[in-house]
Amino acid sequence: AQKITQTQPGMFVQEKEAVTLDCTYDTSDPSYGLFWYKQPSSGEMIFLIYQGSYDQQNATEGRYSLNFQKARKSANLVISASQLGDSAMYFCAMREGGYSSASKIIFGSGTRLSIRP
Amino acid sequence: EAQVTQNPRYLITVTGKKLTVTCSQNMNHEYMSWYRQDPGLGLRQIYYSMNVEVTDKGDVPEGYKVSRKEKRNFPLILESPSPNQTSLYFCASSLSFNRELPLHFGNGTRLTVT
Repeated sequence: AQKITQTQPGMFVQEKEAVTLDCTYDTSDPSYGLFWYKQPSSGEMIFLIYQGSYDQQNATEGRYSLNFQKARKSANLVISASQLGDSAMYFCAMREGGYSSASKIIFGSGTRLSIRP
Repeated sequence: EAQVTQNPRYLITVTGKKLTVTCSQNMNHEYMSWYRQDPGLGLRQIYYSMNVEVTDKGDVPEGYKVSRKEKRNFPLILESPSPNQTSLYFCASSLSFNRELPLHFGNGTRLTVT
């Protein structure tokens, strides 16, 4: 069964430092996609970055990068040069590749990141 | 503007009083889904729809109903709400069920059942 684990309920980081948010996953499907979403205090869900299981390179989007270690089944989000506006809840999610399994996108329990000025 | 629109944003109701949370998307997306968010549990899928007239249960469907009569609309129905359905609800959509596609979320509906 597919599963996403985020082991850090909360983190505090000093502004301008880099931060890594952990995500491990479990699936028996060789084809899957991994996503990170940001949820600020206003509540909306914002898509940040995507990594495919067959991608050879780690995904990057501006200050966001994904440290994808397929053998370890981990997909950690790295935020470089953190800013006060990065304070939010972050969710890791996975979508499998099969017709029926791709209909279910599962989420981790989230990590609340707080940036200190 | 491409968006997923949920209404209402906030809803307080009493046990047993039927309610509907509406969801509409203007992106011609085939796939739509409902989630509930609870502290410490992340987002859990309630129901999803692969296309018009095609719906199926997610992980926590008990106490909920959905319908997909038109491509753009996917309402969530609570026939007899109970206090354990107090939660933050999100509607989301994607162009199809392709594993590469991220979900587009509505702004959420905070439901309180007393």
